[in-house]
Amino acid sequence: AQSVTQPDIHITVSEGASLELRCNYSYGATPYLFWYVQSPGQGLQLLLKYLSGDTLVQGIKGFEAEFKRSQSSFNLRKPSVHWSDAAEYFCAVAPSGGYQKVTFGTGTKLQVIP
Amino acid sequence: DTGVSQDPRHKITKRGQNVTFRCDPISEHNRLYWYRQTLGQGPEFLTYFQNEAQLEKSRLLSDRFSAERPKGSFSTLEIQRTEQGDSAMYLCASSPPVSQETQYFGPGTRLLVL
Repeated sequence: AQSVTQPDIHITVSEGASLELRCNYSYGATPYLFWYVQSPGQGLQLLLKYLSGDTLVQGIKGFEAEFKRSQSSFNLRKPSVHWSDAAEYFCAVAPSGGYQKVTFGTGTKLQVIP
Repeated sequence: DTGVSQDPRHKITKRGQNVTFRCDPISEHNRLYWYRQTLGQGPEFLTYFQNEAQLEKSRLLSDRFSAERPKGSFSTLEIQRTEQGDSAMYLCASSPPVSQETQYFGPGTRLLVL
């Protein structure tokens, strides 16, 4: 069965600092990988996804993530955080091809301090 | 494209009552998903429709839960004889025929069972 681990429940960064949110997955083959963001009272918004090909993927709002097969990781990065990035971030995994049953991690809550 | 909508946004009910939630997917999205999200957790898959056919149900979906998508458009999720443990955010998502891996989420229905 597929699973996702987000080891950091809560992260605090200063505005303008760089950010890296960790994600490790467990799946027998190369999966599809996603990062979603959820702001209070809002649904989940897709930031970026990895399906195949280039292991460094660019997303919206200046986010990027790198798929590292050897480490079973898909960490999310942003070079300079803005106060509006404060939210909860979810990493997710799904089997490649066919039906897309997505499994989410438990999330990392990001706090941005001025 | 008006996005996925869910109704109601909030529901407070007494234990033992029945509740029904509605989800309107993005037009022409043939796949529709229901998830449940509790505090401090990521969304957990409940069930999935392709057009009007319910193709998979999670073991989380007890006999008290039923979902329908009668005409392949909107969907309803009914919980009978609600229990306090049913208190959660219920999220709906849809995905298009092309790029099926990308799920678009609604704002959710927050249920509180007293």
